[in-house]
Amino acid sequence: NAGVTQTPKFRILKIGQSMTLQCTQDMNHNYMYWYRQDPGMGLKLIYYSVGAGITDKGEVPNGYNVSRSTTEDFPLRLELAAPSQTSVYFCASRKTGPLLNEQFFGPGTRLTVL
Amino acid sequence: KNEVEQSPQNLTAQEGEFITINCSYSVGISALHWLQQHPGGGIVSLFMLSSGKKKHGRLIATINIQEKHSSLHITASHPRDSAVYICAAPGGTQGGSEKLVFGKGMKLTVNP
Repeated sequence: NAGVTQTPKFRILKIGQSMTLQCTQDMNHNYMYWYRQDPGMGLKLIYYSVGAGITDKGEVPNGYNVSRSTTEDFPLRLELAAPSQTSVYFCASRKTGPLLNEQFFGPGTRLTVL
Repeated sequence: KNEVEQSPQNLTAQEGEFITINCSYSVGISALHWLQQHPGGGIVSLFMLSSGKKKHGRLIATINIQEKHSSLHITASHPRDSAVYICAAPGGTQGGSEKLVFGKGMKLTVNP
């Protein structure tokens, strides 16, 4: 199993550009998450999904969109990139059940908006 | 909303030392997570616990539900333990939310 994979690993965007961060997991997990990590700050939840077709906002959803058409994929879309979106983005997944289930993290995408 | 605090924020230790990392939270919870972030950035889950104590190798995690406090202990520390250690708790007002709230992490450096 590859686990949780993310692409790209690094990206530089200009203000106003758009991009999609890809996330795929091969563990048949229903729950998937997108987090951002800013220097010196804890991970913050952007969006999450409890299954295909179901998504919900996290703590910091503004400026982002998600979709979940399959169990495996959970892409994160930035429509109009802003410098405040410079961050490291992590995708994670876990199997269905109580929150006392291990979350598996992808390797992260380092995004810089100039 | 749950607030998660970790202390200390940074710690430098010598190889072999016993290390304790603390985590406190403000709202009663169903589970607490400890994670490790490697220097390269990768994040792995170490423990999830709702009561008592868990042990894995040289790592021991404890939780006191009444005091809303958890500790992660590392025995016989080694340079490969150098990482950022993060605790996380459910963020809902009653501690059962799907959304985890993360501490800022504690950066541990173990010198040979």
